[in-house]
Amino acid sequence: GQSLEQPSEVTAVEGAIVQINCTYQTSGFYGLSWYQQHDGGAPTFLSYNALDGLEETGRFSSFLSRSDSYGYLLLQELQMKDSASYFCAVRPSGNTPLVFGKGTRLSVIA
Amino acid sequence: SAVISQKPSRDICQRGTSLTIQCQVDSQVTMMFWYRQQPGQSLTLIATANQGSEATYESGFVIDKFPISRPNLTFSTLTVSNMSPEDSSIYLCSVLNEQFFGPGTRLTVL
Repeated sequence: GQSLEQPSEVTAVEGAIVQINCTYQTSGFYGLSWYQQHDGGAPTFLSYNALDGLEETGRFSSFLSRSDSYGYLLLQELQMKDSASYFCAVRPSGNTPLVFGKGTRLSVIA
Repeated sequence: SAVISQKPSRDICQRGTSLTIQCQVDSQVTMMFWYRQQPGQSLTLIATANQGSEATYESGFVIDKFPISRPNLTFSTLTVSNMSPEDSSIYLCSVLNEQFFGPGTRLTVL
């Protein structure tokens, strides 16, 4: 089967840094994606890692270690608007659909 | 990039009825994906819709319950048939390898 594990909830202070981890067990691996979803909104694509290492996009960075079947999303300089659910997703192969984790609900507090 | 619209944005339906959800993209795309997100849950792929061929359904989803049309490269419909309260979910379409999601259709079945 395919499974992704991520924490269900994380709370962090405005201005701080938070890391959301994702470990996966899938039949193959083609890439790890991250999505943000605000309450009542649609998922928004944040990042994609196919190779090991860190990808940085503004305040958000995503890391992948294929040997550890592990990745994380790093959010810096947290803002209240970052309060949302964050999903990791793996594509087991190039022509198979994404498998999503259950999501991490991030609450940013003042 | 792609801009996706969905109709209706929300609906409340009676048990046993059917609802057809439309998804319109502002550019031509080969594949369109239909997802379901049950309350407080992650995203689950229902089917992949290719223009000119039958949709490919994921395990647990059948054509009789979720018929899909894909008449051209910018449009698709998903019908939720013979609805029950368990079908209450957000239904989302997605394109370009799930980089872009539509705003979703929030369905409540009474």
